[in-house]
Amino acid sequence: AAGVIQSPRHLIKEKRETATLKCYPIPRHDTVYWYQQGPGQDPQFLISFYEKMQSDKGSIPDRFSAQQFSDYHSELNMSSLELGDSALYFCASSRSQGPTYEQYFGPGTRLTVT
Amino acid sequence: AQKITQTQPGMFVQEKEAVTLDCTYDTSDPSYGLFWYKQPSSGEMIFLIYQGSYDQQNATEGRYSLNFQKARKSANLVISASQLGDSAMYFCAMREGGNFNKFYFGSGTKLNVKP
Repeated sequence: AAGVIQSPRHLIKEKRETATLKCYPIPRHDTVYWYQQGPGQDPQFLISFYEKMQSDKGSIPDRFSAQQFSDYHSELNMSSLELGDSALYFCASSRSQGPTYEQYFGPGTRLTVT
Repeated sequence: AQKITQTQPGMFVQEKEAVTLDCTYDTSDPSYGLFWYKQPSSGEMIFLIYQGSYDQQNATEGRYSLNFQKARKSANLVISASQLGDSAMYFCAMREGGNFNKFYFGSGTKLNVKP
């Protein structure tokens, strides 16, 4: 079965650079979520999109922005990177038609900021 | 207040034995869903099992079962016949209400299965 695809899998950037992470949800999933997981931490919700519109916002820094495109893929744009942005970034997708709404996670993008 | 509480940062279990990972939740919404995810050292998050607040029976999925005690607001994961490959981080999560965007994770339990 198709899973959530994330690219790149690993990314190394320097401070103050920008990064773009991509997410391709499972086909027919209309909702995409972004999470940030620091070392030894649980995933922290950043932002979500439903039908290409932002549906909820969590602890996403102002330096970050995201969008969902017409083909339902999503991109997380991160600017002015800081050392503390080093983390595993997950994208998850789900269907808004219930009843369970379980989120299926991609393999994650490991971002290292040096 | 924490929405999801996992009080066991780490646990050991002998191979082939059963283990219970604790999870308690906090919500005033009568409709919610509870999830368990497994995160191996490779990093991916794997969906294991789901329990809906209105489900009458405890969810089961292969060697995984969910001990759902609604009055106590607990949703413990039981893994039967542990295998070495079960060694991983386990996260309990909750979707609150009918809003599929409200998804909360616990802090996780690191399970180590000993041969």
